Amino acid sequence: EAGVAQSPRYKIIEKRQSVAFWCNPISGHATLYWYQQILGQGPKLLIQFQNNGVVDDSQLPKDRFSAERLKGVDSTLKIQPAKLEDSAVYLCASSLFSRTKETQYFGPGTRLLVL
Amino acid sequence: AQTVTQSQPEMSVQEAETVTLSCTYDTSESNYYLFWYKQPPSRQMILVIRQEAYKQQNATENRFSVNFQKAAKSFSLKISDSQLGDTAMYFCAFMKHRAAGNKLTFGGGTRVLVKP
Repeated sequence: EAGVAQSPRYKIIEKRQSVAFWCNPISGHATLYWYQQILGQGPKLLIQFQNNGVVDDSQLPKDRFSAERLKGVDSTLKIQPAKLEDSAVYLCASSLFSRTKETQYFGPGTRLLVL
Repeated sequence: AQTVTQSQPEMSVQEAETVTLSCTYDTSESNYYLFWYKQPPSRQMILVIRQEAYKQQNATENRFSVNFQKAAKSFSLKISDSQLGDTAMYFCAFMKHRAAGNKLTFGGGTRVLVKP
């Protein structure tokens, strides 16, 4: 079974530029999560999708971050414009269905450096 | 809001020895789930072990076991017979038991170094 795929693996941008990350969850997983992991800290949830609907985006900085999950499969997370403090690893995770508390499976992450 | 605290930033252990990682959490919930995740240097987060708060029996997975103390809000991880491949960051995480939305709240992590 293929795992959660993410691209790109690394990205370096200047502040005020835009960047987008892509995630392909495990086939059949209805729930998709985006986490931000700042160096030296644990991951923090940015947004959770159930199919193509948003379940929780309370910690997403909506003035600069946006995310979508068209057709309930792949997802894209965008930052526009980026700030220095956005430097982090962005982790995508997926699970079968939220109500059953299934295990979340994580992708390898995208490491973003904002200069 | 829930908080998860891991008080040990880094621990080292000799190969084949045992190491115990501490985790405490704060919540007003009575039903919840607790997890330990491992993040090796390649950065892919992997589930190590999971505990349901309503279960009194401590979870075990091969060389990994937990000591769950609900009243004390403590959830420690014991790694027995440590192997070089156990070198990684270990994160304790909390999840509420609710109908929809199962956000993981993570602690700050403990770096484990297994020495040959």
